[in-house]
Amino acid sequence: DTAVSQTPKYLVTQMGNDKSIKCEQNLGHDTMYWYKQDSKKFLKIMFSYNNKELIINETVPNRFSPKSPDKAHLNLHINSLELGDSAVYFCASSQDYSTDTQYFGPGTRLTVL
Amino acid sequence: SQQGEEDPQALSIQEGENATMNCSYKTSINNLQWYRQNSGRGLVHLILIRSNEREKHSGRLRVTLDTSKKSSSLLITASRAADTASYFCATDSSNTGKLIFGQGTTLQVKP
Repeated sequence: DTAVSQTPKYLVTQMGNDKSIKCEQNLGHDTMYWYKQDSKKFLKIMFSYNNKELIINETVPNRFSPKSPDKAHLNLHINSLELGDSAVYFCASSQDYSTDTQYFGPGTRLTVL
Repeated sequence: SQQGEEDPQALSIQEGENATMNCSYKTSINNLQWYRQNSGRGLVHLILIRSNEREKHSGRLRVTLDTSKKSSSLLITASRAADTASYFCATDSSNTGKLIFGQGTTLQVKP
């Protein structure tokens, strides 16, 4: 049973395309996050949602739009993909936004050609 | 802005030896956490130390925190080849779940 799952695991696409990454957690957590890890392994938070409500919205281009249909899902939609969007995107969840431990998904490696 | 800086960036040791990784941060924190990332995988939470704690143990892991120096260390004792991974410190300053990660230490344990 995978606690935090992401699909797809790999995504290769052309510049200018629109793509989505899906995330689901079966831990019953209220809070979910999206992180971006660049080629130097630097990990940076992008968004967090608590019970479908946006809590954290870092300085991210508005081409990135998170969507939380319910508290178990947080999807990331990216419009007009650029070369610099190539990275590994991780979803994570925690019991709530003040809880300390975050549980990470396996990551989605996005390559923009 | 990046909060944590880790030192060293890379560490290579023999199985059985101890590994020490250091993390420094810039602002006051609520807690500091250490995560492990195996190659091509997601991060796994290892240990959390709160700002009012100085030392914490979990199995072969020992974490210290010095808030006056704004630094923490992670000690892995009696290392194993399976400990080969990248280790990240992350700080929580805001109680919003916003973790700020360091750039990580890549540990290689040779059998």
